[in-house]
Amino acid sequence: GAGVSQTPSNKVTEKGKYVELRCDPISGHTALYWYRQSLGQGPEFLIYFQGTGAADDSGLPNDRFFAVRPEGSVSTLKIQRTERGDSAVYLCASSPSGGGTEAFFGQGTRLTVV
Amino acid sequence: AQSVTQPDIHITVSEGASLELRCNYSYGATPYLFWYVQSPGQGLQLLLKYFSGDTLVQGIKGFEAEFKRSQSSFNLRKPSVHWSDAAEYFCAVGALGQGGKLIFGQGTELSVKP
Repeated sequence: GAGVSQTPSNKVTEKGKYVELRCDPISGHTALYWYRQSLGQGPEFLIYFQGTGAADDSGLPNDRFFAVRPEGSVSTLKIQRTERGDSAVYLCASSPSGGGTEAFFGQGTRLTVV
Repeated sequence: AQSVTQPDIHITVSEGASLELRCNYSYGATPYLFWYVQSPGQGLQLLLKYFSGDTLVQGIKGFEAEFKRSQSSFNLRKPSVHWSDAAEYFCAVGALGQGGKLIFGQGTELSVKP
C-alpha cells in the first residue's frame, strides 16, 4: 500500500478482554515499530521489529502486551486482560531499514477500555 | 537517562508572525533529531531531520531547525506562520545503534490567531 495501514481505527473493549491491533507496513520496509500515545503525551516506544524478530521490546509495559510479525510484514500487537489504563492511541511505524532512516507512521488505533 | 523536553505545552501566535518551538534533549550517544507534526485525527508527519553535517536543516512547509550541541537543543523555526500550521509538534531523538527507536517529547500545541 501507499502508507502504513492500521486496523481497526477505533476499538472499544471491556476491561479484562483480549484485543489485537493490526499494522500493515509500507511494502519492503524491514523495520517496524509500535508506539503508544496517551492523551496529552508524546508517543512512547513499545517494540521494534527487524524482519520477523523483535530486536528491542524494552518498551512493553508488562507481560500482558505481546507483538508478532511472523512473515516480516504485517504485525499484530496483542493485549491480554485489558485494563482501563491501556486506553490510548497505538501507533505503528515502518522504515526501510531501521537505524537512521525515516520512520513513516500510520494513523493509529484508538483503544478505549471501559 | 535519555529524554526529550519540550518546555512549552501550548503556544499561540498570530498568522504571519514568526515561530520558534523549543526542544532540549539528553542523550548519551550522538543523536539523530527529528521534528514531527500531528494534526487532529492524522498520523505523525516528518517535518525535518538531523543526522550529521550542516547544523541548520531545512524541512517541508517552510520549517527549519538548528542543532546546537553545546546547548543540547534542536529548536524548530518558521519565519511566517500560516493558519494551516495549527497542530501538535513533537521533537524526537534517536541514535545509531538504537535501531531507529525514537524518544519523543510531550509535544507543543500550536494555535494560530487570524
